[in-house]
Amino acid sequence: SQTIHQWPATLVQPVGSPLSLECTVEGTSNPNLYWYRQAAGRGLQLLFYSVGIGQISSEVPQNLSASRPQDRQFILSSKKLLLSDSGFYLCAWSSSGGEKLFFGSGTQLSVL
Amino acid sequence: RKEVEQDPGPFNVPEGATVAFNCTYSNSASQSFFWYRQDCRKEPKLLMSVYSSGNEDGRFTAQLNRASQYISLLIRDSKLSDSATYLCVVNEGGSYIPTFGRGTSLIVHP
Repeated sequence: SQTIHQWPATLVQPVGSPLSLECTVEGTSNPNLYWYRQAAGRGLQLLFYSVGIGQISSEVPQNLSASRPQDRQFILSSKKLLLSDSGFYLCAWSSSGGEKLFFGSGTQLSVL
Repeated sequence: RKEVEQDPGPFNVPEGATVAFNCTYSNSASQSFFWYRQDCRKEPKLLMSVYSSGNEDGRFTAQLNRASQYISLLIRDSKLSDSATYLCVVNEGGSYIPTFGRGTSLIVHP
């Protein structure tokens, strides 16, 4: 069966520090991968998605970036965090021809 | 612009009640529809797909009305554990990007 791993669960970072969140999927190949952010009490905001290695589409211009160095690995990064980057970050995957998304357990990021 | 609209609630109901949520979508090319459940500070989890003929899973019934462009979720005999936010998700055929509603909050009280 397919599983998705996302870490860390909680992160507290100072403003201006770098960020790296990692997500890996097991049990499937060539998944579509996604990074979402959810601010407190708000809906899901799609940040990036990827349909293959090295293929990244950005939905929202900001100081975040994403990379997909391997088929089942998706990384969210920032060189310098802003206060407004605080939120609940969720990685998700779907099959290459599928439409259902399956989410990782999320990372609660607090930028202070 | 593709939009999915939900009443944010909260819907506050007693245990045992029946409650229904609607979700409207603007893109007539939408092909697939889902309901997700999200608990506080947790990831959304797929609750059920919504089929044209309607479908039922235990106490949960989902229906699709293409003419009026809305989907619904009915929960019968509500349990305390049903308290959560319910997200409506709509996907245009062939799209990699589903559109999420902002969710409807349900609170089931004793």
